Amino acid sequence: DSGVTQTPKHLITATGQRVTLRCSPRSGDLSVYWYQQSLDQGLQFLIQYYNGEERAKGNILERFSAQQFPDLHSELNLSSLELGDSALYFCASSQEGDTQYFGPGTRLTVL
Amino acid sequence: GNSVTQMEGPVTLSEEAFLTINCTYTATGYPSLFWYVQYPGEGLQLLLKATKADDKGSNKGFEATYRKETTSFHLEKGSVQVSDSAVYFCALRDSGYALNFGKGTSLLVTP
Repeated sequence: DSGVTQTPKHLITATGQRVTLRCSPRSGDLSVYWYQQSLDQGLQFLIQYYNGEERAKGNILERFSAQQFPDLHSELNLSSLELGDSALYFCASSQEGDTQYFGPGTRLTVL
Repeated sequence: GNSVTQMEGPVTLSEEAFLTINCTYTATGYPSLFWYVQYPGEGLQLLLKATKADDKGSNKGFEATYRKETTSFHLEKGSVQVSDSAVYFCALRDSGYALNFGKGTSLLVTP
């Protein structure tokens, strides 16, 4: 158990819908990262937050957004969903610049 | 840009065989290098890491040495077990904090 929790574990929705994925980092970790794992693209970095502020952006679509709250949990919002957004979404957390520990992931299926 | 290249899988070995999974990288500067493992239906777990040239990371019988001259970080284990069956990801982290992953190598160990 990495100490990073993600909810929900599975999510099934329809095209055009909006969903929110939630992540709670390990105790004491200020950085949260979001990654997408798909069969065709592999594991890709989406976005990082540090203590409530956006720190870095990767291959994140404009339809996707994230935020980190004062209690350090983070949410990834995916809107106008397309079939191709079906993937595993992982959250990771770390101390500043240190090893990232991953949550169990949320499997999103868009029908 | 930064990139990680892993050998294509799947790799199938008999129990107690020697394992090598090749990983090479392209990066500016001096990245940190990681191996993560993903067991079926689970998230990514850190297996080992190395932060500078000639460092050797090791854990659970797995080893990898950071070779700057060959830009490689090959994963090795002297005697694999059925329980090692998983997908193995090589990753680098440069001056930013996001991880850049290879495509993963699936390992199947048969009794």
